[in-house]
Amino acid sequence: AQSVTQLGSHVSVSEGALVLLRCNYSSSVPPYLFWYVQYPNQGLQLLLKYTTGATLVKGINGFEAEFKKSETSFHLTKPSAHMSDAAEYFCAVSETSGTYKYIFGTGTRLKVLA
Amino acid sequence: DAGVIQSPRHEVTEMGQEVTLRCKPISGHNSLFWYRQTMMRGLELLIYFNNNVPIDDSGMPEDRFSAKMPNASFSTLKIQPSEPRDSAVYFCASSLGGGVTYEQYFGPGTRLTVT
Repeated sequence: AQSVTQLGSHVSVSEGALVLLRCNYSSSVPPYLFWYVQYPNQGLQLLLKYTTGATLVKGINGFEAEFKKSETSFHLTKPSAHMSDAAEYFCAVSETSGTYKYIFGTGTRLKVLA
Repeated sequence: DAGVIQSPRHEVTEMGQEVTLRCKPISGHNSLFWYRQTMMRGLELLIYFNNNVPIDDSGMPEDRFSAKMPNASFSTLKIQPSEPRDSAVYFCASSLGGGVTYEQYFGPGTRLTVT
């Protein structure tokens, strides 16, 4: 069965510092991988996704993630944190058969310190 | 586009009462999803509709939960009778198709509290 692990339920960074949110997955088949962001009192919004092709994926708001098959990881990064990045971030995995079912991680709440 | 619309945004009810959550998907989308989010279990898919037909309801916790989609622009999730353990945020999402290549657009959620 597929699963997603997000290390660190809470991460704090200073404004302007590197953001690194970790996601590891387990899957018996090549995965499709996603990062979603949830701002307070809002629904989830897609940041970026990896399906096939280039393993470094760029998303909205300056975020990017790299699919590393050997490490079964899909970590999310941003070179310089902004106060507006404070939110909860979810990693998700789905099957390459193209199903609608996402397996979500438990989320990482990012706090940005002034 | 108005996005996915959910109502009410907050619902507080007493145990045993019937609760109905409503969702209006994005116009033109043919897939609709209901999710539940709790601290303990995270985000779980409850049911998936495609072209108004329920395709997968394996995530519906028990018979107290039911969902309908009478037309392409409206869906309901009903809990009868409600229990305190049903307290959660319920999200509706819609997409152009059912596959992973189609992004799911989430509504703002309904925060349900059952006392």
